[in-house]
Amino acid sequence: DIQMTQSPSTLSAFVGDRVTITCRASQHVNRWLAWFQQKPGQAPQLLIYQTSNLESGVPSRFSGSGSGPEFTLTISSLQPDDFATYYCQQYHNFTSTFGPGTKVDVK
Amino acid sequence: QVQLLQSGAEVKKPGASVKVSCKASGYTFNSYPIHWVRQAPGQSLEWVGWINAGTGGTLVSQNFKGRFTITSDTSASTVYMELSSLRSEDTAVYFCARETGGTYFYWGQGTLVTVSS
Repeated sequence: DIQMTQSPSTLSAFVGDRVTITCRASQHVNRWLAWFQQKPGQAPQLLIYQTSNLESGVPSRFSGSGSGPEFTLTISSLQPDDFATYYCQQYHNFTSTFGPGTKVDVK
Repeated sequence: QVQLLQSGAEVKKPGASVKVSCKASGYTFNSYPIHWVRQAPGQSLEWVGWINAGTGGTLVSQNFKGRFTITSDTSASTVYMELSSLRSEDTAVYFCARETGGTYFYWGQGTLVTVSS
């Protein structure tokens, strides 16, 4: 099975900071890489799909890039609503794997 | 609009089984796979398995084979997940999600399953 790692596990930042989260797969994966934001007590919300496509309604300060095995999620200017946990997710051979998550909190 | 509505929270004893439903609306039910993902308290998301809502074909993670069953009722636009031989480490929120292009644009609200003696 493909394993996903994320770094950092926790990130402390100020409003307005540029934030980058990295996701790495244990083997080469195709472009079926997505990013989710999750807040406590809520279901995950899709931000980015197929590596770099912004989901409808998601602010343009979020962007994704990369290619197997390393991908990044960037928030160009962190806003108060962005303090949350972020997960990457890959889909390969009809199975999904999620990363362990990156918690973004207030510095 | 697309909605996935899950059944309510459950409390079960170790060794018992639990069945959670996920009712879909707002789209053609047979056209999209439904996946199940769980999240233990304070932990990451863990993929469990999926069902082709049209054919009934399923694929379950090796971590759950033999204990996890996914079924669908096309007449009710509802997918079910059943987990047997429950243990305390199965305590988690279970989400259903509709898959398109290898990811999940729509999620259910989650169902908390608590396993406790």
